[in-house]
Amino acid sequence: GESVGLHLPTLSVQEGDNSIINCAYSNSASDYFIWYKQESGKGPQFIIDIRSNMDKRQGQRVTVLLNKTVKHLSLQIAATQPGDSAVYFCAEFMEYGNKLVFGAGTILRVKS
Amino acid sequence: EAGVVQSPRYKIIEKKQPVAFWCNPISGHNTLYWYRQNLGQGPELLIRYENEEAVDDSQLPKDRFSAERLKGVDSTLKIQPAELGDSAVYLCASSLGPGFGTSLTRTGELFFGEGSRLTVL
Repeated sequence: GESVGLHLPTLSVQEGDNSIINCAYSNSASDYFIWYKQESGKGPQFIIDIRSNMDKRQGQRVTVLLNKTVKHLSLQIAATQPGDSAVYFCAEFMEYGNKLVFGAGTILRVKS
Repeated sequence: EAGVVQSPRYKIIEKKQPVAFWCNPISGHNTLYWYRQNLGQGPELLIRYENEEAVDDSQLPKDRFSAERLKGVDSTLKIQPAELGDSAVYLCASSLGPGFGTSLTRTGELFFGEGSRLTVL
């Protein structure tokens, strides 16, 4: 997959502001997408998912938007809190091969 | 209920030495995955098990890596001999079943362990 080495994109936001994390996926045939949050020293943790027949899905403080035309996924976090600081990964599920493929991550830093 | 348990959490070895990682999935989860995560990157699948059968090992470097899941429960991942480029976090994950089922059951949701960080000197 694509590699960004040690230089992950970083988003710095003020506590209480909204955050938007973006992701470009690779396969137009992917039909299921997931956002994961990974805190330092821990494994990825499921946040929210969306199927390709939807454009938007909302959870608690989080919203995922899917634009299949440009193969773009975004994660919106409302009222960002210090506990939201982590690396966020999008992942696409490819029916072919029954495989979940992770994209490059984005570091979210929340300033108090 | 306990999550996915991995050990050891950290391992430092010299190159050419062997190393093994152990994973105990969530009880009742038939599907088990081993991922490798290099620094600054997303996890990459090494192998996926359905019960005791390895159904996808296409990304496993078979010259030095091996894995087993005897009895379809816990699993071990072995590297022999280790190389400098093997330094990474090895993540184990489990799910109820393969794929991602329906939006109601989401049987394929992956639950990850905390990982085993390997440093090869």
